[in-house]
Parts: sequence; structure tokens; C-alpha cells
Amino acid sequence: QQKVQQSPESLIVPEGGMASLNCTSSDRNVDYFWWYRQHSGKSPKMLMSIFSNGEKEEGRFTVHLNKASLHTSLHIRDSQPSDSALYLCAASYQGGRALIFGTGTTVSVSP
Amino acid sequence: GGIITQTPKFLIGQEGQKLTLKCQQNFNHDTMYWYRQDSGKGLRLIYYSITENDLQKGDLSEGYDASREKKSSFSLTVTSAQKNEMAVFLCASSIRGVNYAEQFFGPGTRLTVL
Repeated sequence: QQKVQQSPESLIVPEGGMASLNCTSSDRNVDYFWWYRQHSGKSPKMLMSIFSNGEKEEGRFTVHLNKASLHTSLHIRDSQPSDSALYLCAASYQGGRALIFGTGTTVSVSP
Repeated sequence: GGIITQTPKFLIGQEGQKLTLKCQQNFNHDTMYWYRQDSGKGLRLIYYSITENDLQKGDLSEGYDASREKKSSFSLTVTSAQKNEMAVFLCASSIRGVNYAEQFFGPGTRLTVL
């Protein structure tokens, strides 16, 4: 079973709308969650990371973390066509030796 | 700032062939990684290295070898290419500690096996 699970697999959002992406760890020993964005044909780039309960906002992007439920979510408000990309969630674990990536959510913003 | 370069950009091989992919970084980062990405999906870790001459296996290491002879470079060898294999291999680096630092990625090597 995938240790880091993302949903939905894909998402279509109207321009100006809100996109909400989910990520859950099946291992309770999670330390950090990371969100990376990968535009088509490009390499992944880190968007945001979060390690404490609560919310973190950077511009149009907000990340929530609920450590008790091992769940993080990424919200993109006022979505733009340039936000169309594959969004990868990754987790790092206590005593772990490498990041574990989920399979990603493909976001398409329709003009 | 810095940059990660990967060579070649495209690699076409024959079944059973041994193929080598190269990665260079000028961030002066300690840790380097090799990932495989299939069909634009998630990343699977093949090997990583926390310092020169160190090698650590990831979940997908079978069928691959790696080499870190210098701090700035990390090579990956596909020991026997599988027919119809298609994937993108991504190299990454981070300043320290595997779990707690942002990873920076190279542009990738796209592999096709005929």
C-alpha cells in the first residue's frame, strides 16, 4: 500500500476558482509534509512545507495540517491557468532516511 | 543559487543494454538523489547519497547501480535495460539531512528502451 496517498487523482477547476488537494500518511511517525509542483515537461519545485498543526499561507496557496489525522491539504484560491500542473505531496518520517512521495494530483485550470 | 544538470537529456537503449545517466550540481549540497517517474506520476526513490562515496538504497534499487565519486556528481547505471521501458529519471540534491531540507531537481533524463 502507498505510504503517502493523494486525492483526487485529477481535478478540473475553473479560472478564478478554488482547488483543494488532499494528502494522508498511513504511517503515524510522520514529521514533515512537503508540497511540490511540477509543470508538464519540467522538474518538480517545492511549493510549501509544514510540520506543525494549523495553517500556513503564501500568496494564493494555503496548506493545512492535522497531525492527529495524519492529513494535509493544499488549497489554491483564485486559480490561474499557470497553476495547471502535477502536485506532489511528500512526507518525511522520524528515523526515516528519505522522503516518500505520493502519486500526485493533476490540476487543470480551465479558462 | 545553483543548478543541476543531467546528461543525456534523452537516452534510447536496447533491451539488455547497460546504460549510464549522469548528474552534476553546483549548489555544494551534501545529499543527492535519483528518482524514477513513470507517466508523469509520483516519484520513486532509486538511490541516494549523503556524502561522497556514500550510497543508500531506495525502494526501487533493484536493477540499478549508483556511484558518488565526487561531492558534485552522482551517476546512475541501469544494469540491464528492460524492453518497452519508458520513464523519466530525475536527479535531486539537498543541503543536508535527507528528511528536513528542500530538494532541488534537475531537468531529467527521458529513457526509452526499444
